[in-house]
Amino acid sequence: AQKVTQAQTEISVVEKEDVTLDCVYETRDTTYYLFWYKQPPSGELVFLIRRNSFDEQNEISGRYSWNFQKSTSSFNFTITASQVVDSAVYFCALSEDNYGQNFVFGPGTRLSVLP
Amino acid sequence: ETGVTQSPTHLIKTRGQQVTLRCSSQSGHNTVSWYQQALGQGPQFIFQYYREEENGRGNFPPRFSGLQFPNYSSELNVNALELDDSALYLCASSLHYAGPRGTGELFFGEGSRLTVL
Repeated sequence: AQKVTQAQTEISVVEKEDVTLDCVYETRDTTYYLFWYKQPPSGELVFLIRRNSFDEQNEISGRYSWNFQKSTSSFNFTITASQVVDSAVYFCALSEDNYGQNFVFGPGTRLSVLP
Repeated sequence: ETGVTQSPTHLIKTRGQQVTLRCSSQSGHNTVSWYQQALGQGPQFIFQYYREEENGRGNFPPRFSGLQFPNYSSELNVNALELDDSALYLCASSLHYAGPRGTGELFFGEGSRLTVL
């Protein structure tokens, strides 16, 4: 069965600090898809990134970067020079399905960036 | 904004009642998924609709049912409401098949917050 663990329930940082959100996943499939979503107070889940299991290169997008390591089943997310607008709940998710079905979400990490 | 709209945004029901939640998918998307998010938890998959038929279901009882219409919009119906049904209900639209590199992302609406008293 698939499972996503986000061990950090809440993190508080001061603006401009770097912060890493951890994600560990479990799956028996050799092909799977990993995602990060951001949920601001409005409730809407905002897509941040998708990573396929067969594509192990890391990615950087502006202040965001992702470190995918199959050997440790981890898909960590780093925000560099955090800003107050980064405050939100962040979810890591896993799908084994090629048709966008049954995303399994982790419990989320609440990030508070203080001015 | 994702272009996925949900209604109503908030509603209050009493135990035993029935509720219908509605979702309009993003233009060009043919698949709608519904998720339940209890307070302080991650979303849980309820079911997915494609071509007006249920295309997969999570661990939810039959009193959770849905519909998809020819314009790809969707409804989630919950009968015999229980207190534990209180949650944020999220609708997500997507393409049924995102191409050879696999599953595309889900685009979520802002949700319908249901309170059962």
